[in-house]
Amino acid sequence: EAEVAQSPRYKITEKSQAVAFWCDPISGHATLYWYRQILGQGPELLVQFQDESVVDDSQLPKDRFSAERLKGVDSTLKIQPAELGDSAMYLCASSFWVNTEAFFGQGTRLTVV
Amino acid sequence: DQQVKQNSPSLSVQEGRISILNCDYTNSMFDYFLWYKKYPAEGPTFLISISSIKDKNEDGRFTVFLNKSAKHLSLHIVPSQPGDSAVYFCACFEGAQKLVFGQGTRLTINP
Repeated sequence: EAEVAQSPRYKITEKSQAVAFWCDPISGHATLYWYRQILGQGPELLVQFQDESVVDDSQLPKDRFSAERLKGVDSTLKIQPAELGDSAMYLCASSFWVNTEAFFGQGTRLTVV
Repeated sequence: DQQVKQNSPSLSVQEGRISILNCDYTNSMFDYFLWYKKYPAEGPTFLISISSIKDKNEDGRFTVFLNKSAKHLSLHIVPSQPGDSAVYFCACFEGAQKLVFGQGTRLTINP
């Protein structure tokens, strides 16, 4: 069964360090999303790609966060420098096209100490 | 500004009975609605969806109802099973715009 792959599953990093997350969407899915979920809240969109192009990054803290999807397939989300408030679950999702069901990966649990 | 609201943080239901989870939205331009289920330490799993041109969609034990005039949707699970215990999120699309999530409702099914 096709699924969205994310790594690592868990990451502990010290504040001010750099951290990166990787996502491989379901094959053939043009739309890729990165969400952040804080415990007790719903997922919040950080960035949305259509193929290799960013279509929405309005909620991405661009002073420290960056995301890329160079070949329109897998994607990397980077935080530099990490802050204590970045501790959260980072979720990647993909869908065949916009406005269709999005399928999520297992997520990366980030803890900044 | 919370465009999608799930006003019940938690819900407890007896096994075998009906579970009803509610979601309200404010953006009348939302035209596609989804429900996701999430277990701890895992990503959300897609459950069921409904387009704004319909008012009901059914898939096995899960039924989603949409009331566009009230900007309200609900998820019915019947009969409820212990494996249904999880956090449930509603999510809304506006055309090709981003998928906006509610805060989630934690459902507990009691034996």
